Amino acid sequence: KAGVTQTPRYLIKTRGQQVTLSCSPISGHRSVSWYQQTPGQGLQFLFEYFSETQRNKGNFPGRFSGRQFSNSRSEMNVSTLELGDSALYLCASSSYQDFEQFFGPGTRLTVL
Amino acid sequence: DAKTTQPNSMESNEEEPVHLPCNHSTISGTDYIHWYRQLPSQGPEYVIHGLTSNVNNRMASLAIAEDRKSSTLILHRATLRDAAVYYCILRDDQTGANNLFFGTGTRLTVIP
Repeated sequence: KAGVTQTPRYLIKTRGQQVTLSCSPISGHRSVSWYQQTPGQGLQFLFEYFSETQRNKGNFPGRFSGRQFSNSRSEMNVSTLELGDSALYLCASSSYQDFEQFFGPGTRLTVL
Repeated sequence: DAKTTQPNSMESNEEEPVHLPCNHSTISGTDYIHWYRQLPSQGPEYVIHGLTSNVNNRMASLAIAEDRKSSTLILHRATLRDAAVYYCILRDDQTGANNLFFGTGTRLTVIP
């Protein structure tokens, strides 16, 4: 069974630009969660999508958004990038009410 | 969200047991105790979880205090591959929500 895949793995953007990150969950998983990891703040929950609907949302500004497609693949978008958005963005998938989340390798975003 | 408290770092000699403590004094009756770990340059991975009784799996054991205000993750024989940041997380498994609050975790160093 293939694991969670994230593309791209590395990304460099400049301030003010926008970026879209992609996550393909494990086959059959309908829940996809996104997390931001920085040295200062650690791992922070961004949002969760389940069956194309946002089910939970963390405490991030509206510049951070996401969506989920009918095949459960998910994208997250960050508009008007700031230097502080430089981070490792992780997505995790799980099956319905499963206790375990499976994490992808992450996308390393650098904002210059 | 109920919070957890863990030591910032711990060391262990290779092939010796490791006891990683976690305090969660504000745990609610429906919170399960989950442990994840993050190896260097990887996304977090699930280790074990429990509610009230002690739990064992192929990776580790989880000992839960009778009042559930603390728990201990036990690695029976530490290997170099176990060097990672270990996160103790409370999750209300009844809601099925996948919005994990990771905290700062414990960085485990394994000494050869």
